[in-house]
Amino acid sequence: QEQLIQSGPELKMPGSTVKVSCQASGKPLYKYSLTWVRQAPGRGLEWMGVIISVFGTKEYAQKFQDRVTFIADESTNTAYMEIRGLKADDTAIYYCSTDGGDAYNDLWGQGTLLTVSS
Amino acid sequence: DIQMTQSPSSLSASVGDRVTIICRASEGIGNDLAWFQQKPGRAPKRLIFVASALQSGVSSRFSGSGSGTEFTLTISDLQPEDIATYYCLHHSRYPRAFGQGTKVEIK
Repeated sequence: QEQLIQSGPELKMPGSTVKVSCQASGKPLYKYSLTWVRQAPGRGLEWMGVIISVFGTKEYAQKFQDRVTFIADESTNTAYMEIRGLKADDTAIYYCSTDGGDAYNDLWGQGTLLTVSS
Repeated sequence: DIQMTQSPSSLSASVGDRVTIICRASEGIGNDLAWFQQKPGRAPKRLIFVASALQSGVSSRFSGSGSGTEFTLTISDLQPEDIATYYCLHHSRYPRAFGQGTKVEIK
């Protein structure tokens, strides 16, 4: 069964860095356009960007371009999202998912809660 | 970048009602639009893609229509299990963007 399995909750200090993982099971990671979406408490969904490892393509929403990096490790079938310079308003649930326009897949990770607090 | 605007932000309807949610794009996106349902504490779930294609396993009470800049999600015969927040997402080009969401409640 195809799944996306994310790493556990994180508590980070302002200014620090976090790396969230998303492991694909049941299918190679390169088969997906792997999207990252976040949701702040009580707020809507926010598209952060996508990594398409088969083409080496990474696209970021403008507000995340300077602080966020997507990585794909084909050897472990795992995608990573790194956020640097964390701020309190980065507190959110972060989801990895297949692309909304993917005709064949609608997979979502279970979400990773990131709390940024001193 | 393409912006997505949803309306209404919330609605309350009775069981059995027909419910309509509208999503407008800031420029034409053809039929490159998906609809998602999110229940509290859960990851979103796709209902519709390319504006009107029903995701496998999703109830036929859900339907999507539209093209260009205006799109509609219709829930016919509203049921208690449809209580959720609904989001549109354009998948025309990068960056993608979600609408602000529509919270659906039962009267």
